[in-house]
Amino acid sequence: DTAVSQTPKYLVTQMGNDKSIKCEQNLGHDTMYWYKQDSKKFLKIMFSYNNKELIINETVPNRFSPKSPDKAHLNLHINSLELGDSAVYFCATSSGPGRNEQFFGPGTRLTVL
Amino acid sequence: DAKTTQPTSMDCAEGRAANLPCNHSTISGNEYVYWYRQIHSQGPQYIIHGLKNNETNEMASLIITEDRKSSTLILPHATLRDTAVYYCIVRVPLNNAGNMLTFGGGTRLMVKP
Repeated sequence: DTAVSQTPKYLVTQMGNDKSIKCEQNLGHDTMYWYKQDSKKFLKIMFSYNNKELIINETVPNRFSPKSPDKAHLNLHINSLELGDSAVYFCATSSGPGRNEQFFGPGTRLTVL
Repeated sequence: DAKTTQPTSMDCAEGRAANLPCNHSTISGNEYVYWYRQIHSQGPQYIIHGLKNNETNEMASLIITEDRKSSTLILPHATLRDTAVYYCIVRVPLNNAGNMLTFGGGTRLMVKP
C-alpha cells in the first residue's frame, strides 16, 4: 500500500479553469502539508493542517483552498488557474506538527495552458 | 531557521562511499540537522536527522562536527539508485505553529558505474 497517494499524477488544463488535487495517507498521521515545486525545482510550503485544522498558510493566493474532510485526506482546490500555477504539487504528512520527518506523495504535475 | 550551504553537484563511483557536506555555521543550539533526498520525478524522501551526536540508520550515516557548524551525510556504498538531489535542512523540531520545511538548492549527486 502506498503511504501517501495523490491523484491525478498529471493535470493539464486551460487558464481560468478550476481544478482539484487529492491527497490520501494511510499512515495515521495527524499533520498534512501541501508543497509547490516550481520550474527551478525549489520546494515551498503552501499549507499545513493538523487534525483537519489549518495551521499554516504561507501567503498563498486565496484562489488556493485546501480542504480536509478527515484526517486521512487533504485536498487542494484551485480556482481561476493562472499560467504561474504550473508546477509540481506535493502532499506530505508527519505524525505531528512538531515532527520534521515528513513523508511525501509522488506529486501532481499541473500544467496550465 | 539557520541557512545551509551545499555544493551544487557531486559525482561518486558506484560501490564507493558518497560523502555529502553541508555547512550551517549559524545553527542554534536547539536546531536539528535533517537530510532529505529527491530522486527524479519522485517526492522528497526523509533520510536521517540528528542534533549533535552522529547518527546511523539503514540508509545513511550523519556526522555532525563538534561545533555543529557543519555536517556530512554518508552513503556507505552508493548505488545508481542513489542518484538524486540531497537536501540538508536545519530546523527546530518542536514548533506549535506547524512544520514548514524549507528546501534550498541541494546537492545533485550523480552515481556513476
